[in-house]
Amino acid sequence: AQTVTQSQPEMSVQEAETVTLSCTYDTSENNYYLFWYKQPPSRQMILVIRQEAYKQQNATENRFSVNFQKAAKSFSLKISDSQLGDTAMYFCAFTQNRDDKIIFGKGTRLHILP
Amino acid sequence: GAVVSQHPSWVICKSGTSVKIECRSLDFQATTMFWYRQFPKQSLMLMATSNEGSKATYEQGVEKDKFLINHASLTLSTLTVTSAHPEDSSFYICSAPPGESNQPQHFGDGTRLSIL
Repeated sequence: AQTVTQSQPEMSVQEAETVTLSCTYDTSENNYYLFWYKQPPSRQMILVIRQEAYKQQNATENRFSVNFQKAAKSFSLKISDSQLGDTAMYFCAFTQNRDDKIIFGKGTRLHILP
Repeated sequence: GAVVSQHPSWVICKSGTSVKIECRSLDFQATTMFWYRQFPKQSLMLMATSNEGSKATYEQGVEKDKFLINHASLTLSTLTVTSAHPEDSSFYICSAPPGESNQPQHFGDGTRLSIL
């Protein structure tokens, strides 16, 4: 069974700093999809970034980028120039197919301090 | 873009009441929808997969007689919590694959259920 592990329950960084959130996963499949979701206090699920396993190039979305290490089954999220609005719960997630169920990690609560 | 609408956003009711939550795809057809539950300070856990025109598939440990799922059309799935009790209080959220290539799944805004 696929699993997603986030080992950092909570993190705090100063505004404008760079922060990296860790995620590891386990699967025996060769192709799959990985995501980082942001969940603010409103509890809305916001897709931050996604990575397709067959793509070697790390995905980037403005201030957000990932370090995808397929052999190590690692998928970390880097937030550059962090902003107060980045304060939220961040979930690393996995899905086998685009239309399949999503498996979430336990989440990392990120606090951006002024 | 494709949107999933979920209602109600918040419901408070007495113990023993049945509560229905709707998940509607607004501009696409969803043959499959997923229902998740999130307890406070925890992650999203899949409860069941809703399939249009057929029975839902429930995850291990989820009581199918308590959490009734109906997916009678390509745009609507409903989750009914029957005879709800305080331990059913949680945040319920649905998602639906849009069916278009290269598009991620879309999440509803969730339903906060509080059973008194």
